[in-house]
Amino acid sequence: AQTVTQSQPEMSVQEAETVTLSCTYDTSESDYYLFWYKQPPSRQMILVIRQEAYKQQNATENRFSVNFQKAAKSFSLKISDSQLGDAAMYFCAYRSENGGFKTIFGAGTRLFVKA
Amino acid sequence: DTEVTQTPKHLVMGMTNKKSLKCEQHMGHRAMYWYKQKAKKPPELMFVYSYEKLSINESVPSRFSPECPNSSLLNLHLHALQPEDSALYLCASSQMGSPYNEQFFGPGTRLTVL
Repeated sequence: AQTVTQSQPEMSVQEAETVTLSCTYDTSESDYYLFWYKQPPSRQMILVIRQEAYKQQNATENRFSVNFQKAAKSFSLKISDSQLGDAAMYFCAYRSENGGFKTIFGAGTRLFVKA
Repeated sequence: DTEVTQTPKHLVMGMTNKKSLKCEQHMGHRAMYWYKQKAKKPPELMFVYSYEKLSINESVPSRFSPECPNSSLLNLHLHALQPEDSALYLCASSQMGSPYNEQFFGPGTRLTVL
């Protein structure tokens, strides 16, 4: 069975600085998809960024980028120029090519942004 | 319109009550999901509907009964719940075709069982 591990329950970053959230996963599959979701306090969960495992190039969305290391089964999220609005719970998630739309979430990392 | 709506926002019910949660989307998504989320925990998948048919049931107790009456609506019927069922219930939807497709989440219904 696949597992997703986020080893940092909480992280803190100064506004305008850069922070990296860690995620590792375990799978025996070769085709899969990885996601980072953001859940602000009392607000809807939204997709931040996603990566197809067969693509070597790291995904980037504005201030958000990932470091995808397939052999190491690592999928970290880098947030550049952190803003107060980035404060949220961040979940790393895994989906199998043949998983029938089942999403496996990590435990989450709470990010605090200091002004 | 990229919105998933859920009603009610909050629900308090007794263990003998029957209530329903409602979810709606108008994005043409044919995959719809129910998740349960306890405080400070990740969402746990409960059910997945594909083309209005139940495709995944994660061994959820029968006191939770899902229903997908059409391609835009998803209901979760609740009966004889336990206090440990108190949680945030999230609905989500996505396009069919690829697991890469983005899931759109609703704001959730916060359920308290007394």
